[in-house]
Amino acid sequence: NAGVMQNPRHLVRRRGQEARLRCSPMKGHSHVYWYRQLPEEGLKFMVYLQKENIIDESGMPKERFSAEFPKEGPSILRIQQVVRGDSAAYFCASSFSRSDTQYFGPGTRLTVL
Amino acid sequence: GESVGLHLPTLSVQEGDNSIINCAYSNSASDYFIWYKQESGKGPQFIIDIRSNMDKRQGQRVTVLLNKTVKHLSLQIAATQPGDSAVYFCAAAGRKGGSEKLVFGKGMKLTVNP
Repeated sequence: NAGVMQNPRHLVRRRGQEARLRCSPMKGHSHVYWYRQLPEEGLKFMVYLQKENIIDESGMPKERFSAEFPKEGPSILRIQQVVRGDSAAYFCASSFSRSDTQYFGPGTRLTVL
Repeated sequence: GESVGLHLPTLSVQEGDNSIINCAYSNSASDYFIWYKQESGKGPQFIIDIRSNMDKRQGQRVTVLLNKTVKHLSLQIAATQPGDSAVYFCAAAGRKGGSEKLVFGKGMKLTVNP
């Protein structure tokens, strides 16, 4: 009974490159959420998706960031032209339904050089 | 460049003592609250949740108390063990009946001394 899976666990990019973060929700979960965490801070909501649809992207920066959750395959958080300020841990969570508990993955730690 | 971060508040307890971690929230529309535990290098782990129609909920060695009047939430851990050492976050959601878009507090670092 696998939990939420994220890969890669660590990602190093140079300024200007693209970062792709993947999230596979728990089996049976069709709701996915992305959060960002800076060192010694709480998680900040970015985007909420339900299969093929973006439900709430109010926490997502307007430029360079995008997210998708295709019918088949994992959810992808894409950051184009990364800058040093994008360095953070990015966590994905999934839930069975809109009102259910969110379970988190182990996170992807992005470092921008 | 240099960055300055906020230091996490820390609670140190002896093994076997009871621990209480507090959290205040600001949005009176919040109706669902969760406590998560995060160990170093890992994702948040669900501990216990409570909805606004309750003021207390108990789990295994943990109890969550909700005071909606003063917008305060607490997590009580009984007989704290070294394995409880972690950062604890409270989170709140504002959509009635839903749990999307969690708003997290800053966290409290719990250190359990053997």
